[in-house]
Amino acid sequence: VQLVESGGGLVKPGGSLRLSCVGSGFTFNNYYMAWVRQAPGKGLEWVSFVSDRGDTVFYSDSVKGRFSVSRDAARNAVDLQLHSLRLDDTAVYYCARDPASSGFFDSWGRGTLVTVS
Amino acid sequence: SSELTQPPLVSVSPGQTATITCSGSKVGSRFTSWYQHKAGQSPLLVIYQYDRRASGIPERFSGSTSGNTATLTISGTQSVDEADYYCQVWDRNAALFGGGTKLTVL
Repeated sequence: VQLVESGGGLVKPGGSLRLSCVGSGFTFNNYYMAWVRQAPGKGLEWVSFVSDRGDTVFYSDSVKGRFSVSRDAARNAVDLQLHSLRLDDTAVYYCARDPASSGFFDSWGRGTLVTVS
Repeated sequence: SSELTQPPLVSVSPGQTATITCSGSKVGSRFTSWYQHKAGQSPLLVIYQYDRRASGIPERFSGSTSGNTATLTISGTQSVDEADYYCQVWDRNAALFGGGTKLTVL
């Protein structure tokens, strides 16, 4: 099982960014997926969740209305579109796999750093 | 502030038992999971559904729950176990993480 995030970088406040997470080594499109972030010096914070078919999505209150999650079955990918970025969105963003649609995460990527400055 | 409360720091000597708690009203009614996170690495699932060890996790790691408190216990703690540990529940279409506990093995 491998999850690889990409798309992070430096962006100005109010800007946008698209993160991607590509999965391999398992049947990616059968699994629910999540995004979790960690701001510098802070703990883990859940950001978003998308069902296997992409028809059910959830967001944390802190990103609702600004972030958008979607899946691309052809790429074995889940994308997180970040809009109206704020300074406190600076974090390492991880994607994670929910193995049984049970709300826990058994595989994680290495993360991609988003810096809003 | 997190709705799941963890002690910020737990310190143990090598070979001793480390106990990390996670308290909150959601704990008693929702499956609790535990993650180990070392700097520069991906988080690692340690315990899920209160007391089930994830694949590849040593037997010295165990989980339990009593009332509104979940506990991660590491028996015979080793220096390699030094890390941040987070509890997590899924509630009302959202994942909640505890604030994290830094485990030091002195």
